[in-house]
Amino acid sequence: AQTVTQSQPEMSVQEAETVTLSCTYDTSESDYYLFWYKQPPSRQMILVIRQEAYKQQNATENRFSVNFQKAAKSFSLKISDSQLGDAAMYFCAYNVGTSGSRLTFGEGTQLTVNP
Amino acid sequence: DTAVSQTPKYLVTQMGNDKSIKCEQNLGHDTMYWYKQDSKKFLKIMFSYNNKELIINETVPNRFSPKSPDKAHLNLHINSLELGDSAVYFCASSLRLKKTGELFFGEGSRLTVL
Repeated sequence: AQTVTQSQPEMSVQEAETVTLSCTYDTSESDYYLFWYKQPPSRQMILVIRQEAYKQQNATENRFSVNFQKAAKSFSLKISDSQLGDAAMYFCAYNVGTSGSRLTFGEGTQLTVNP
Repeated sequence: DTAVSQTPKYLVTQMGNDKSIKCEQNLGHDTMYWYKQDSKKFLKIMFSYNNKELIINETVPNRFSPKSPDKAHLNLHINSLELGDSAVYFCASSLRLKKTGELFFGEGSRLTVL
């Protein structure tokens, strides 16, 4: 069974600073997809960034980037120039990419941004 | 326009009651899901439907019954509610042919059982 682990239940960062959230996963598949979702206090689940396992290049979306280490099964999220609006619960998720899209989530990391 | 909408957003009810949560998506997706988020924020899949056909059915009590009248709607009916059913229930949708499989979520329905 695939598992996703986020070892940091809580993280904090100063506004304008950079923070990295960790995620590891376990799979025997070679073709899969990884995601970071953000859940602010509004409760809405928002897709932040996506990485295809077959791509060696790390995905980037504005201030958000990932460090994907396939051999180590590691998928960390880096948030640069942190803003107050980045405060949220962040979930790492894995999908094997077959029909049904069974997205498996990690436990989440609560990010606090201090002014 | 809301892409994935759930109703109601909040639901407070007594133990033993039966309640339903409705979900609709206007994204043209063919696959819909119900996820449960417990008090520790852990998200776990419950059900998934593709074109009205049940394709994922996790270990969920029989009191939970999903129903998909068409590919744009997926409702969740819960019988004989228990205290442990208190959670936030998220509806989501995706396009099966899109291999990346990212989900688009509704805003969640917070169910409180007293």
